[in-house]
Amino acid sequence: NAGVTQTPKFQVLKTGQSMTLQCAQDMNHEYMSWYRQDPGMGLRLIHYSVGAGITDQGEVPNGYNVSRSTTEDFPLRLLSAAPSQTSVYFCASSHAGDSNTGELFFGEGSRLTVL
Amino acid sequence: TQLLEQSPQFLSIQEGENLTVYCNSSSVFSSLQWYRQEPGEGPVLLVTVVTGGEVKKLKRLTFQFGDARKDSSLHITAAQPGDTGLYLCADSGTYKYIFGTGTRLKVLA
Repeated sequence: NAGVTQTPKFQVLKTGQSMTLQCAQDMNHEYMSWYRQDPGMGLRLIHYSVGAGITDQGEVPNGYNVSRSTTEDFPLRLLSAAPSQTSVYFCASSHAGDSNTGELFFGEGSRLTVL
Repeated sequence: TQLLEQSPQFLSIQEGENLTVYCNSSSVFSSLQWYRQEPGEGPVLLVTVVTGGEVKKLKRLTFQFGDARKDSSLHITAAQPGDTGLYLCADSGTYKYIFGTGTRLKVLA
């Protein structure tokens, strides 16, 4: 049972570098999302998607890009890394439109440090 | 913008003790979820509540949703070291999930 898989688990970048965090799910979920988790601030939504070809912004989208070309994959791109983007990033998926549960299934997280 | 405040922020108790943590929203919840997150892992859903006044039980955990659907509590009876983790509440009624800041619980053996 793979569920939601995130890579890499750890990454160190220099300011100004770009990179992509990968997320893949094998549950045929329509909904996928990216969060960042910082101490004392809980989980904050960066971007989300309700299906292939459809993406939208969350609470903290600046500095991040996403695309959804397949149901399974939802990569998060950092265009020009800044120290403020040092965080733990989580990808999560769910069946879209399930208003009774909307259970989010999370990956194990990717810890990013920007120097 | 909806704000979810959780209290207390930190809690350290002995095994066998009871505890209650709280989640308060600045606006009415669409639907409320509680998650638990263990170190190095992603959050895992514990429960979803939708109806004001609803009470749900999951073994030693009791979840209560306020009548006005703006607050919730999680009560743990006879806490065990395995209950250690970060407890997060979330509004899950739209695609833009909103999470609280969490209560970090440590249960000492």
